[in-house]
Amino acid sequence: DIQMTQSPSSLSASVGDRVTITCRASQSISSYLNWYQQKPGKAPKLLIYAASSLQSGVPSRFSGSGSGTNFTLAISSLQPEDFATYYCQQSYSTPYSFGQGTKLEIK
Amino acid sequence: QVQLQESGPGLVKPSQTLSLTCTVSGGSISSGSYYWSWIRQPAGKGLEWIGRIYTSGSTDYNPSLKSRVTISVDTSKNQFSLKLSSVTAADTAVYYCARDQVHCSSTTCKNWFDPWGQGTLVTVSS
Repeated sequence: DIQMTQSPSSLSASVGDRVTITCRASQSISSYLNWYQQKPGKAPKLLIYAASSLQSGVPSRFSGSGSGTNFTLAISSLQPEDFATYYCQQSYSTPYSFGQGTKLEIK
Repeated sequence: QVQLQESGPGLVKPSQTLSLTCTVSGGSISSGSYYWSWIRQPAGKGLEWIGRIYTSGSTDYNPSLKSRVTISVDTSKNQFSLKLSSVTAADTAVYYCARDQVHCSSTTCKNWFDPWGQGTLVTVSS
């Protein structure tokens, strides 16, 4: 099974900051990597698919990059609504697996 | 716009079978290149993929749960279902259903979960 590891596990930042979240796969997964945002009490929402493609309706301040084993989610200028937990997920092979999550909090 | 909604008992006794249904609205469960997945999340923890089904009936399960999981589809009702047997307190979680969207280019096929249902909390307790 493929293990996904995110860093950091939590992050404090201010509105307007640029932040990056890293996701590492235990083996190469090419660009089979998706990112989700989850707010308390809500279902996860797709942000980025195939490592770098922005889901329709998602603000352009979100971007994804990487290939192989190392991936990054970047938020260029944090907005109040961006404070949430973020998960990466590999779709290279079943069983699909998620990172443990990165909780983005307001500083 | 496709929407998914989970339904089923919120409380299940230990050793019994958890049964949930996901109803798809706004589109046919049989149309397009989609699998249909179940994912769960214990309180305060991360996400675990349980398994998926294609409308042909073919399934993939997480090996960690495979011996206890059955996913089925009823295209006439536009629904798919999850059964998890011999539950314990460790199976207490919010259970989500999600569309597993497949997109193929000339060389590869990639997939992702979108949309998701709102989730339903299932508690295993006597």
